[in-house]
Amino acid sequence: DAGITQSPRYKITETGRQVTLMCHQTWSHSYMFWYRQDLGHGLRLIYYSAAADITDKGEVPDGYVVSRSKTENFPLTLESATRSQTSVYFCASSDLREGTYEQYFGPGTRLTVT
Amino acid sequence: AQSVTQLGSHVSVSEGALVLLRCNYSSSVPPYLFWYVQYPNQGLQLLLKYTSAATLVKGINGFEAEFKKSETSFHLTKPSAHMSDAAEYFCAVSESQGNLIFGKGTKLSVKP
Repeated sequence: DAGITQSPRYKITETGRQVTLMCHQTWSHSYMFWYRQDLGHGLRLIYYSAAADITDKGEVPDGYVVSRSKTENFPLTLESATRSQTSVYFCASSDLREGTYEQYFGPGTRLTVT
Repeated sequence: AQSVTQLGSHVSVSEGALVLLRCNYSSSVPPYLFWYVQYPNQGLQLLLKYTSAATLVKGINGFEAEFKKSETSFHLTKPSAHMSDAAEYFCAVSESQGNLIFGKGTKLSVKP
């Protein structure tokens, strides 16, 4: 199906474990983003990517790693999960050639770190 | 750095009443501005966007917003609230590198 998908939708993991959240989009958008959403903070940008093999830090990158070997995929890895990383994670994509910076969001992954 | 301020983390209106959600931004250049809506347990959906074509922007579900440069505001309105409008609303401003800066959100409740 066309669109942007995230997997898993729900994940429970233990402190110290590595966990990877997947994001896949079928539009061939050049830009992809990872946000976390926490009560009282709105959405905060973790990392973004302008194209394959080009990534950059956002507002809250510590403790996260990203890669983008293919245009359509943008996985987010928590190398050693901490309780403070319990959050809802959203992936988004956009194509700045459209000129509007509009972002399209996935359904989110709810991550709980115990 | 740009910023977005949404006044009021919670707004409650009666069904049929006017909805007004406030958004102010800081930007040194004319920005692109967005309103997104998030229903429970879902991702964000674009409601409307300002891209300098017209200061009054109409969106989906009867919502509209007016860009006022002198006030650096982009308030969201709907003349008559419906129960299905209950959701969280986010205002966002674009940055030159392509990302968006989001406000902290306003949760709208609609009373019958």
